[in-house]
Amino acid sequence: DVKVTQSSRYLVKRTGEKVFLECVQDMDHENMFWYRQDPGLGLRLIYFSYDVKMKEKGDIPEGYSVSREKKERFSLILESASTNQTSMYLCATLTAAAYQPQHFGDGTRLSIL
Amino acid sequence: AQRVTQPEKLLSVFKGAPVELKCNYSYSGSPELFWYVQYSRQRLQLLLRHISRESIKGFTADLNKGETSFHLKKPFAQEEDSAMYYCALGTDKLIFGTGTRLQVFP
Repeated sequence: DVKVTQSSRYLVKRTGEKVFLECVQDMDHENMFWYRQDPGLGLRLIYFSYDVKMKEKGDIPEGYSVSREKKERFSLILESASTNQTSMYLCATLTAAAYQPQHFGDGTRLSIL
Repeated sequence: AQRVTQPEKLLSVFKGAPVELKCNYSYSGSPELFWYVQYSRQRLQLLLRHISRESIKGFTADLNKGETSFHLKKPFAQEEDSAMYYCALGTDKLIFGTGTRLQVFP
C-alpha cells in the first residue's frame, strides 16, 4: 500500500515566517503534487514535480516555492507566510503509468496568525 | 480549457434514498475521470475511476462523452456515505471539482 507521509498534521505559524511543509512517499512514484484545500474551492494545485529537481507551477503558485532534491521527498515552502495562506495542504503522488489514481497524505492544517 | 464542474455544494438525503452527485467536465482529449471521497477526519482517497467500470460501496459512475458527464450514483444511500466527494479529471495532473458534501440523515 502506498504511503504518503506529511510531516505535520497541524501547524501554527506567524505572519512573515518562512514555513516548510514536508512530504515523503515510499513507492518510488515519479510525480508528486501539492494542493491546498479550501471550503467551496475544492483542491487547487500549487506546484507539482515530474522528477528530481524538476518542478512545474500549478494554478496558484504565488507565494509558494517547492524543492525536490530526492525522489521520495517533496517540500512546499512559504517564503513569507501570510494569513491568506491559512488552509489545509495536501500532498499527493502518482506513478507515471496511465489511468492510475493519485495517493494522498493526511494533510497539514496550517494556520497563519 | 480543462475544467471540472460540480454544481452542488451540498446534497442532503434520507437513508435509503437514491443519490446522484453531478459532475461535468471540459476536455478536448480522451478523459480519465475519477471520484475521490473524504470522510470526516480521514485522508482523501480514491472511490472509483471510469476505466475500471466498477462498483465501490454501491456507487457507480458512467462516463457520458456526449454530455461530458461522470455523475456518481447510488440507489440507496447509507449514513456512512456522508462525506465530501470530489470529481477529478486526469491529464498530466489531476484537475478537481469544488466538491459536493453529501449528508445522509437517518
